[in-house]
Amino acid sequence: DTGVSQDPRHKITKRGQNVTFRCDPISEHNRLYWYRQTLGQGPEFLTYFQNEAQLEKSRLLSDRFSAERPKGSFSTLEIQRTEQGDSAMYLCASSLVSGFQETQYFGPGTRLLVL
Amino acid sequence: DQQVKQNSPSLSVQEGRISILNCDYTNSMFDYFLWYKKYPAEGPTFLISISSIKDKNEDGRFTVFLNKSAKHLSLHIVPSQPGDSAVYFCAASAGGADTDKLIFGTGTRLQVFP
Repeated sequence: DTGVSQDPRHKITKRGQNVTFRCDPISEHNRLYWYRQTLGQGPEFLTYFQNEAQLEKSRLLSDRFSAERPKGSFSTLEIQRTEQGDSAMYLCASSLVSGFQETQYFGPGTRLLVL
Repeated sequence: DQQVKQNSPSLSVQEGRISILNCDYTNSMFDYFLWYKKYPAEGPTFLISISSIKDKNEDGRFTVFLNKSAKHLSLHIVPSQPGDSAVYFCAASAGGADTDKLIFGTGTRLQVFP
């Protein structure tokens, strides 16, 4: 079991540029979540997928953010026209829904710095 | 509105002693609670969880207690070890709905000193 992986681990970009992050969940996990964490805060929910369907998006996810999970396996999170306020750690988690409750396992995160 | 609160930003404990980390919540719909440990520049690592139908769950040195009437849970680490030094996050979810998104507290930084 290789765990959740994320790429890149770090990204520095200039304001106004587009960035894309990738998440590979634990194999056979059917749910995939994206969270964002800023300094001094806990992770905040952004969006999640069950298989390839995006089922919920947070108010935090502005129109500049888009996420996909085209084949129900890996997922991408794209931020268009980045702003300095987008600087944060972006975390991906996956889980297997097989009962009443599920445990989410997190990847190492992608740290984004927008200059 | 902070639905999950960790009111102690930091805790310092001597090696071998007990560490007690606390968490309060406000949403009575929460029915599953988890503790995660986080080192700098890494993602959260799952530690232990508890369902609302239980009041205690143990896993090795880690025990989580849930007091539903007080909307309070705590994580006990006995004995504490220097490797336990990290930030600990409490998280909750309202399972049984279409989503099990986690709501996190702001974390407690635990330092275990020799």
